[in-house]
Amino acid sequence: GAVVSQHPSRVICKSGTSVKIECRSLDFQATTMFWYRQFPKKSLMLMATSNEGSKATYEQGVEKDKFLINHASLTLSTLTVTSAHPEDSSFYICSARGEMWGTTQYFGPGTRLTVL
Amino acid sequence: EDQVTQSPEALRLQEGESSSLNCSYTVSGLRGLFWYRQDPGKGPEFLFTLYSAGEEKEKERLKATLTKKESFLHITAPKPEDSATYLCAVQARGVQGAQKLVFGQGTRLTINP
Repeated sequence: GAVVSQHPSRVICKSGTSVKIECRSLDFQATTMFWYRQFPKKSLMLMATSNEGSKATYEQGVEKDKFLINHASLTLSTLTVTSAHPEDSSFYICSARGEMWGTTQYFGPGTRLTVL
Repeated sequence: EDQVTQSPEALRLQEGESSSLNCSYTVSGLRGLFWYRQDPGKGPEFLFTLYSAGEEKEKERLKATLTKKESFLHITAPKPEDSATYLCAVQARGVQGAQKLVFGQGTRLTINP
């Protein structure tokens, strides 16, 4: 099956700092990667969609300048939370989709971000 | 508007007690319905993809079925390790034509030994 990793799994930072989260597809080339946010006991909320080599497409209400997404290669996408504040604390999950898997998205293990 | 509703919100079963989880959806042009399992503090784990009404897929104690308006996840003789939140999602068309998943709220399943 398809394996997607995320790093780090947990991060604690001070308010005002920036945090970078990496998402990698380990055994396939991901033509499209997605970033989600999940609040406690809630479902996943799509933040943005990114295709390799092009700008990310953000969902309505998601601040592009706050959540910077880079999809530099077919196996790596990064999410940078800039000038993080306590309200940005959440569980961030990426997913990846490759041509060989059709429309199915495979998810990473998630990153727990806590902003103090 | 594309929408996914899962029921029940939570379900407690005894080990070996079979049951079904429901996922009702409204979407303009279904491009796929997906079932995932999520354990606390983890990302969703892929279970099934269904594309057309009448399609069924099985994996161990789980079986997913699809009609034009809903999908069922049947769990047969469950074990405690089947305890998790089960998420249903449909593929919809998002911003600027990008395809995205629309998730239901999930069903929290607990299997008591």
